[in-house]
Amino acid sequence: NAGVTQTPKFQVLKTGQSMTLQCAQDMNHNSMYWYRQDPGMGLRLIYYSASEGTTDKGEVPNGYNVSRLNKREFSLRLESAAPSQTSVYFCASSADQGQPQHFGDGTRLSIL
Amino acid sequence: GQQVMQIPQYQHVQEGEDFTTYCNSSTTLSNIQWYKQRPGGHPVFLIQLVKSGEVKKQKRLTFQFGEAKKNSSLHITATQTTDVGTYFCAGRSGSARQLTFGSGTQLTVLP
Repeated sequence: NAGVTQTPKFQVLKTGQSMTLQCAQDMNHNSMYWYRQDPGMGLRLIYYSASEGTTDKGEVPNGYNVSRLNKREFSLRLESAAPSQTSVYFCASSADQGQPQHFGDGTRLSIL
Repeated sequence: GQQVMQIPQYQHVQEGEDFTTYCNSSTTLSNIQWYKQRPGGHPVFLIQLVKSGEVKKQKRLTFQFGEAKKNSSLHITATQTTDVGTYFCAGRSGSARQLTFGSGTQLTVLP
């Protein structure tokens, strides 16, 4: 099993450009999450989807949108990238809310 | 909102020494989870604690959940170079729907 797959692994954008980060899980999990990780700040929740068809804001949602396309896929969109969004982005999934999370390998995003 | 504080932020130890990281919450937690992230890698789930005063062991790792369910610790006995990485706690209070991660403790083990 692949677990949680994120694409792309690396990306460089210019300020103002848009892009979508893709995430897919093959564990039949109900809940999916998007985090960003900055040095010394741990993991901060951007958005989550408790179950297919629902999405909710996390701690740092500004500048991002998400789509739970189906049970497997949960995408994160940056509409107009800003240098402050330079970070490592992790997608995760869990069987249900509050259960142990399985993380993807991350996307390293730089915005110039 | 719920806050989870973790100390220390960094720890350097000689191989063979013990290591402990502490996690403290501003609210009572329904459970706490611990994760390990190797350099350049992604967080990997280690364990979940649910009961007040619970202690669990995984080989050289000992995890504790405080009696008041507001704090937790991870202790590694006789560290090895394979223990290098950042250790995160993540807790969920009764009123919160999602986990809040601590800022992590970055462990360096010197050979």
